[in-house]
This record gives sequence, structure tokens and C-alpha cells, in this order.
Amino acid sequence: GAGVSQSPSNKVTEKGKDVELRCDPISGHTALYWYRQSLGQGLEFLIYFQGNSAPDKSGLPSDRFSAERTGGSVSTLTIQRTQQEDSAVYLCASSLVREREQYFGPGTRLTVT
Amino acid sequence: KQEVTQIPAALSVPEGENLVLNCSFTDSAIYNLQWFRQDPGKGLTSLLLIQSSQREQTSGRLNASLDKSSGRSTLYIAASQPGDSATYLCAVRFDSGNTGKLIFGQGTTLQVKP
Repeated sequence: GAGVSQSPSNKVTEKGKDVELRCDPISGHTALYWYRQSLGQGLEFLIYFQGNSAPDKSGLPSDRFSAERTGGSVSTLTIQRTQQEDSAVYLCASSLVREREQYFGPGTRLTVT
Repeated sequence: KQEVTQIPAALSVPEGENLVLNCSFTDSAIYNLQWFRQDPGKGLTSLLLIQSSQREQTSGRLNASLDKSSGRSTLYIAASQPGDSATYLCAVRFDSGNTGKLIFGQGTTLQVKP
């Protein structure tokens, strides 16, 4: 079946602009996660959604970062007033439920110039 | 602080060799542990998931073990092939709260030479 998909695959933006990254999880998966992978920091957790519960936002690095998940399916990660240190690969993952294995999408490579 | 460490950072072996990748974690109260592989410029591919109540999991030439008391997991790759060349990541879900987040190690980059 279809895996996790993300769009765009690449995004180049100017410092100070807002960007939106999209994630389509595997159909039927109730848990959705965003991670960030950068050269200096490795893979870092950003945010976790589980069904209709309040999301775990503990990994968001600043209030410029926000995410939503509409209808329990598609998720959008928004970064406002982008900075150069936001340049990274943003990875989305989903799992059937929290206890099961996570499946990752191909990622969105964000470059802030 | 909950941390995951992988040693070595890089490994190069000749084709056909059996090898072991190591992962250690700081808190024995884990929920599960997952091994991934990542090819250059690609996302993560799940290899094996071990629940905290399990000692090992096997898939084909891969075998992952878990020893919670010592805070260690190993990924054993039998009869390595050039196609196994990739970065292998260990990730732990610690048993704290209602989050499903994974804490990742820095990875071991494996090169299998023909």
C-alpha cells in the first residue's frame, strides 16, 4: 500500500519568509510524528499527534514552529519568519497506534537563504 | 537525561562478513526500541521493532537483541552484502508519559566492500 508521503520534496526560501510542509500519513494510522534531521543535531523529535488527544509539542524549538492535523489525517508543519538555522530535512512518520513501529516519509529538504 | 548512543560512528567490512552494530541507552525504563536504515538522501526504512518485554527480533539476515538491564541493543547482520551499505539508526521510545516520540542515536554508517 501507499507509504507516508511528504510535499514538497525540496523547498528553498528566503530568510524571514513563512513555509508550510505537508505530510500524508499511511491510511488508518492514528499517530503522526514530525522530526527534523540536521548535520549538527542528528534526528530530533518535534511534535506528536495521537487521534483527538492534545499533541505533544515538547520538541518544537521555538514559537515560530507550529503544526496541525486536520481530520485526523493530513498534517501541516508551519515555520514562520524562517531563519538559516531552520535549514534541515523535515521528516514525517506515522504508526497504527503509538505502541507500534513508525514508518517514515522521504522528507522535505528545507534550505533558508 | 535520556540519551541514545551508537558506536562506532562508521564501519567498513568486506562482503560476506558477519557484523554487529551497537546501541546503548541511558534509561532502562524503555517502551520499545526500533532499528532503521537510511540511504543517502532518503528517508528512514524500519528494520526491526523490539518491545520492552522481548529479548530479540529477527528478519531475514538481521537479528536485533535487547538487554534492558545493561541498556544495550545490538543489530547483527549476517553475510553482509554491498547493498547493506547505509546508515543504521537506533531509536528508543522511553517509557515516560503519553508521548510516542523516539530518541535517536547518531547512527553507524556501514560500508560493505565487494
